[in-house]
Amino acid sequence: QSALTQPPSASGSPGQSVTISCTGSSSDVGGYNYVSWYQHHPGEAPKRIIYEVSHRPSGVPDRFSGSKSGNTASLTISGLQAEDEADYFCGSYAGGNNFVFGIGTKVSVL
Amino acid sequence: QVQLQQWGAGLLRPSETLSLTCGVFGESFRGYYWTWLRQPPGEGLQWIGDITHSGTTKVNPSLKTRVTISVDASKNQFSLELTSVTAADSGIYYCARSLFLETPDSWGQGTPVTVSS
Repeated sequence: QSALTQPPSASGSPGQSVTISCTGSSSDVGGYNYVSWYQHHPGEAPKRIIYEVSHRPSGVPDRFSGSKSGNTASLTISGLQAEDEADYFCGSYAGGNNFVFGIGTKVSVL
Repeated sequence: QVQLQQWGAGLLRPSETLSLTCGVFGESFRGYYWTWLRQPPGEGLQWIGDITHSGTTKVNPSLKTRVTISVDASKNQFSLELTSVTAADSGIYYCARSLFLETPDSWGQGTPVTVSS
């Protein structure tokens, strides 16, 4: 199973918006609405910030939003804050007992 | 809020067996899939397998011959054993909690594993 494709980095100034893409195939991202996004500070446990494409768990700021079009899911961080600087990766159900993840995108706040 | 705490040896020699355990604190052990994943350097996460509180397991076919996932529901713990490790098994290993068809919603902090002679 190939990893989902994410850009290695993204950046923005405080207050700006950043969008990260996560591209898979019809066998994973495009075939199911089970796409999640995670915020990860290295050395810590990853934190899920989006599930089922666009749903936010309790406690996650509404600055974080998710969407999907075809085989590509997207995470948008609106009103970027310094604390948003982290790695972000996506994950998707891929049928059967398969799950596939992206390598991650490093978001920098300029 | 659930917390997952994992432990185990992080430095192994080739052919040894990797053993990790994950303790679950703060919420029920029932009703979830207790999951192991790993991330080799520079690669995406790989789903290793999962287990329910009753011991029903699923394992990634590519690792099936070397992986054992077990559970001790009385202690709210689950474990991973990976036999005959090689350098290709190096990476960060995570325990996690999942729901049906979902990627994990809660994760352990990760255990760096290095296989080297």
